[in-house]
Amino acid sequence: QKEVEQNSGPLSVPEGAIASLNCTYSDRVSQSFFWYRQYSGKSPELIMSIYSNGDKEDGRFTAQLNKASQYVSLLIRDSQPSDSATYLCAVNVPIQGAQKLVFGQGTRLTINP
Amino acid sequence: DTEVTQTPKHLVMGMTNKKSLKCEQHMGHRAMYWYKQKAKKPPELMFVYSYEKLSINESVPSRFSPECPNSSLLNLHLHALQPEDSALYLCASSQELGNRWPYNEQFFGPGTRLTVL
Repeated sequence: QKEVEQNSGPLSVPEGAIASLNCTYSDRVSQSFFWYRQYSGKSPELIMSIYSNGDKEDGRFTAQLNKASQYVSLLIRDSQPSDSATYLCAVNVPIQGAQKLVFGQGTRLTINP
Repeated sequence: DTEVTQTPKHLVMGMTNKKSLKCEQHMGHRAMYWYKQKAKKPPELMFVYSYEKLSINESVPSRFSPECPNSSLLNLHLHALQPEDSALYLCASSQELGNRWPYNEQFFGPGTRLTVL
């Protein structure tokens, strides 16, 4: 089982609708979770991070975390064509007495005008 | 200043060349990272420095040699690379290395696109 799993997509959503991106992780000791947006040819940009169970909202973005189910999701409300990108879920996992980010394969999201 | 900068943006090198990638941040972050990203794949961790000391080496071949001259700078020295090393090389930084959120949030630079001929 991969450490972080995402549906690779592509996920196609009409403009103005809610885009829902999902991610599961395998390491129960993970405590920090991150969503990055990456446009084609660009570097990843941190858009949300979450630590506690429940919802965290920032503008049109909501991150949801359920540690019991080892599940983290990202909702994008009022989707815009500019939201079309690859979304990477990342989880902090222990390694060599430290921590490292492990990324999922990414979900490619397309918002259709 | 909330940016991570990387130079050069693009680099083309032969297999016998020696080159260096540079990364700089002025956010007072004490952890810095090198990642490699191939097309349509997620970033893969290569090295992590914490307080200017190498903390993690993800079994990277010795043709890649990292260096952290001070808390703001991170270099990646390249020597005798192979064509399969062509990729986007990303630098990132965070306030600290560890599990203390949000101090472990990582911010990426724009990357250096490397082509090895």
